[in-house]
Amino acid sequence: NAGVIQTPRHKVTGKGQEATLWCEPISGHSAVFWYRQTIVQGLEFLTYFRNQAPIDDSGMPKERFSAQMPNQSHSTLKIQSTQPQDSAVYLCASRGNTLYFGEGSRLIVV
Amino acid sequence: AQSVTQPDARVTVSEGASLQLRCKYSYSGTPYLFWYVQYPRQGLQLLLKYYSGDPVVQGVNGFEAEFIKSNSSFHLRKASVHWSDSAVYFCAVIRTGGYKVVFGSGTRLLVSP
Repeated sequence: NAGVIQTPRHKVTGKGQEATLWCEPISGHSAVFWYRQTIVQGLEFLTYFRNQAPIDDSGMPKERFSAQMPNQSHSTLKIQSTQPQDSAVYLCASRGNTLYFGEGSRLIVV
Repeated sequence: AQSVTQPDARVTVSEGASLQLRCKYSYSGTPYLFWYVQYPRQGLQLLLKYYSGDPVVQGVNGFEAEFIKSNSSFHLRKASVHWSDSAVYFCAVIRTGGYKVVFGSGTRLLVSP
């Protein structure tokens, strides 16, 4: 069991460009979460999928962020027209009997 | 809505000393409670969890926590810390029947030699 796999681990993107982050949950886990971590805001909930269906995206900034889970083996978080304030570590987690986190994708927008 | 307060942003203890990291939650019912640890450039790793039953729960690496409902607290303890315990510790809560994990702001632990 490789755990939750997130790619890329690091991404530097220019302001205004698009960034896509990938998450492979633990096999058999039906729930997938995305969180954003910054020094100032801490850990913020972004969105939640259950059995691939979007259940709660209340934490997603409405205009430029989107998340999908096209199949049970991966989820993506896409940020369009990236801004410096999007710089953060984006954490994916999947849940079986408890919540397991990936190592995160560090996004830097310059 | 539930919330979690970790009042200590930073804690420094000497190696071999005992440790308590404080956590208080705000929720009218009995939530599910967790402690996670985050080492530099890594994700969060589960230390221990409380769902019900014995209010003292044992976790990995000698950590334990006690759920005190009357005080809405779930403090993390360790009898003797090691330098490798230096990390950021997060307390977290899920309301009963819920799914969204709400995290505290974290406590950075530094174990000095």
